[in-house]
Amino acid sequence: AQKVTQAQTEISVVEKEDVTLDCVYETRDTTYYLFWYKQPPSGELVFLIRRNSFDEQNEISGRYSWNFQKSTSSFNFTITASQVVDSAVYFCALSETGTASKLTFGTGTRLQVTL
Amino acid sequence: KAGVTQTPRYLIKTRGQQVTLSCSPISGHRSVSWYQQTPGQGLQFLFEYFSETQRNKGNFPGRFSGRQFSNSRSEMNVSTLELGDSALYLCASSLEQGENYGYTFGSGTRLTVV
Repeated sequence: AQKVTQAQTEISVVEKEDVTLDCVYETRDTTYYLFWYKQPPSGELVFLIRRNSFDEQNEISGRYSWNFQKSTSSFNFTITASQVVDSAVYFCALSETGTASKLTFGTGTRLQVTL
Repeated sequence: KAGVTQTPRYLIKTRGQQVTLSCSPISGHRSVSWYQQTPGQGLQFLFEYFSETQRNKGNFPGRFSGRQFSNSRSEMNVSTLELGDSALYLCASSLEQGENYGYTFGSGTRLTVV
């Protein structure tokens, strides 16, 4: 069975600090997709990134970067120079081949960025 | 381009009643998925509809059902409500079904069962 673990329940940082959100996954499939979503207080899940299991290249998008390591089954997310607007709950998710619509989510990490 | 629209945003129902939630996907999207979010269980997949057919189903009792109309709008129904059904229900839509397409979520319907 697939599983996603986000061990960090809550992280508090001061603005401009860098912060890394950890995500560890379990799956028996060789083909799978990993996702990160952001959930602000409004409740909507905002898509951040999708990565397939064959693409281990790290990705950078502005202040966001992602580190995918199949060897450790991890897909970590780093925010550089955090801002107050980054405050939200961040979810890591996994989907397997054949059930692509069925995302298995981690429990989420609440990030609080203060001035 | 309008996003995924869920109605109503908030709902209060009494135990034993039934409820219907609505989701209008992004125009052109044919896949609609539903998720339940609770503090205890987190985000859990309910079911997915594609071209009016249920394609995937999560591990929820039969009290939870859904359907999709020819215009891709979807409804989910919960019968004989229990206190534990209080949750944020999120709908997501995708252009097609499959791994190559991303899912856009709506803001959800917050259901409170009293």
